[in-house]
Amino acid sequence: AQSVSQHNHHVILSEAASLELGCNYSYGGTVNLFWYVQYPGQHLQLLLKYFSGDPLVKGIKGFEAEFIKSKFSFNLRKPSVQWSDTAEYFCAVLDTGRRALTFGSGTRLQVQP
Amino acid sequence: DAGVIQSPRHEVTEMGQEVTLRCKPISGHNSLFWYRQTMMRGLELLIYFNNNVPIDDSGMPEDRFSAKMPNASFSTLKIQPSEPRDSAVYFCASTPLGTFSYNEQFFGPGTRLTVL
Repeated sequence: AQSVSQHNHHVILSEAASLELGCNYSYGGTVNLFWYVQYPGQHLQLLLKYFSGDPLVKGIKGFEAEFIKSKFSFNLRKPSVQWSDTAEYFCAVLDTGRRALTFGSGTRLQVQP
Repeated sequence: DAGVIQSPRHEVTEMGQEVTLRCKPISGHNSLFWYRQTMMRGLELLIYFNNNVPIDDSGMPEDRFSAKMPNASFSTLKIQPSEPRDSAVYFCASTPLGTFSYNEQFFGPGTRLTVL
């Protein structure tokens, strides 16, 4: 069975700091990877996704993620965070057989002004 | 498009009562997913439907939980009887069904369930 590990449970940054959130997956099939964001009190929204091709994926709001197959990683990055990026971030892998997402435990990001 | 619609947004009930959560997927989406989010277990898939047919219910915690999708525009998740450990946020998501490509899952706002 596939699994997703997010090692940072709570990250606190100051505005303009750079962000990198770790995500490692365990899955033997074709890998489809996602980052979702959940702003306080809101539902999950897709930040970016990787299916194939360029391992560096650009998403919305200045986020990007790099798929490194040899490391089974899909880390999320942003060069300069803003207070409005305060949210919980979830990495997920698609089980192409079940067509369902397996989510990591989430990383709560707090950006201080 | 109104997006995925869930009701109620908040539900507070007493242990032993029946709870019904409702979901209306985005029009034209024929895959529907129910997830549960708790502090302890994070986001878990409970069940999903393709073309109104339950495909995988292995995430449903126990027989107290049941889900139906009587038509393409409506699904329910029922808990009977409810227990305090069922307290969580329940999300519904939908996506178009593609054979060779995967489409983004669109999530509803969730139902925050509190069982006293």
